[in-house]
Amino acid sequence: GDSVTQMEGPVTLSEEAFLTINCTYTATGYPSLFWYVQYPGEGLQLLLKATKADDKGSNKGFEATYRKETTSFHLEKGSVQVSDSAVYFCALTAGDTGRRALTFGSGTRLQVQP
Amino acid sequence: DGGITQSPKYLFRKEGQNVTLSCEQNLNHDAMYWYRQDPGQGLRLIYYSQIVNDFQKGDIAEGYSVSREKKESFPLTVTSAQKNPTAFYLCASSIGETGGYEQYFGPGTRLTVT
Repeated sequence: GDSVTQMEGPVTLSEEAFLTINCTYTATGYPSLFWYVQYPGEGLQLLLKATKADDKGSNKGFEATYRKETTSFHLEKGSVQVSDSAVYFCALTAGDTGRRALTFGSGTRLQVQP
Repeated sequence: DGGITQSPKYLFRKEGQNVTLSCEQNLNHDAMYWYRQDPGQGLRLIYYSQIVNDFQKGDIAEGYSVSREKKESFPLTVTSAQKNPTAFYLCASSIGETGGYEQYFGPGTRLTVT
């Protein structure tokens, strides 16, 4: 079945540091890929997405490129802020099945220190 | 403003009681989903519905039931048969066919059963 693997956290960075959170996936067909962010006690918010190979999703300084050859969708940001502290989830929806629900990774907690 | 409403935010029940979690959306989305989140873990799919009066089991449906009598509503009942019901429950919806199946999430309900 489909699966998503994320690097374990927590990831602790100083403000203005470079961020990378690794995400790799296993899926049949051509999945769409997503990064969601969850702030404490809240639901998930879509951060960015990519729907086909070589697409780059970007939002609020975050970027991720859909790499089919390495089945990866790593999240990057050039300069993190304290307000970026949250849990980040990589997820996919399978492209060639009727089920359109998301398959999630286990999440990576990011802590940014001032 | 369009969005997804979940109520209540916190819910406490005694073991052996059924409890129903509310989920309402005014986004005119066809598809709705219920996920369960446990501490330090990703989200797991309980049930989903692509259209009114139709729904399918997800990965962890045992001990749960749902109904979809109206497009905007998708309540989840946690029955006494659910062995470990204490968790954070998230409802989501999507337009279904476009946008890479992007899902919008509600703020969640934290259920504690003692």
